[in-house]
Amino acid sequence: KQEVTQIPAALSVPEGENLVLNCSFTDSAIYNLQWFRQDPGKGLTSLLLIQSSQREQTSGRLNASLDKSSGRSTLYIAASQPGDSATYLCAALPSGGSYIPTFGRGTSLIVHP
Amino acid sequence: DGGITQSPKYLFRKEGQNVTLSCEQNLNHDAMYWYRQDPGQGLRLIYYSQIVNDFQKGDIAEGYSVSREKKESFPLTVTSAQKNPTAFYLCASSIGASMAFFGQGTRLTVV
Repeated sequence: KQEVTQIPAALSVPEGENLVLNCSFTDSAIYNLQWFRQDPGKGLTSLLLIQSSQREQTSGRLNASLDKSSGRSTLYIAASQPGDSATYLCAALPSGGSYIPTFGRGTSLIVHP
Repeated sequence: DGGITQSPKYLFRKEGQNVTLSCEQNLNHDAMYWYRQDPGQGLRLIYYSQIVNDFQKGDIAEGYSVSREKKESFPLTVTSAQKNPTAFYLCASSIGASMAFFGQGTRLTVV
């Protein structure tokens, strides 16, 4: 059964720092990997989706990479801002056809001014 | 605007009462999902449906029931058999392996 782990569980940084959030998965047979953002008391907002054939995706200050062979994905946030404060979750979609993603528990990020 | 609407935002349940959470989408997505989120637990799958009139149990289906009579709607009923229903409930939808969209959630509290 797929297991997805996110490290660290929590992170507090000063504004302006570049950050790396980590996501690891045990089964490399994935169709894609997706990163989400969740604000307190809200639903999840999709940030980036990386297909298994891709190595990375970029959107603005966000860059997500995928290394299937090592079972790892990273979300890089450049020049962090207080508005980036949220919980970031990754989800691995299996390639077996069920299309049921497995979620990590998330990294809670606080960017202080 | 296309999206997923969950209602109500807050819901209070008395002991022994059944309550129904609404989830409606206008994205024309085939698949819909219900997740439960508890602090420190991440998202756990309750039920999912990949086509109208069909649905499957997830990892924690006991004490819950669903229906999928229309493509746009996937209501979740929390029954009195669910002994610890206080949680944040999230509905999502997708087409195949496309990007999943989530609603804004319903916070259920037992009073």
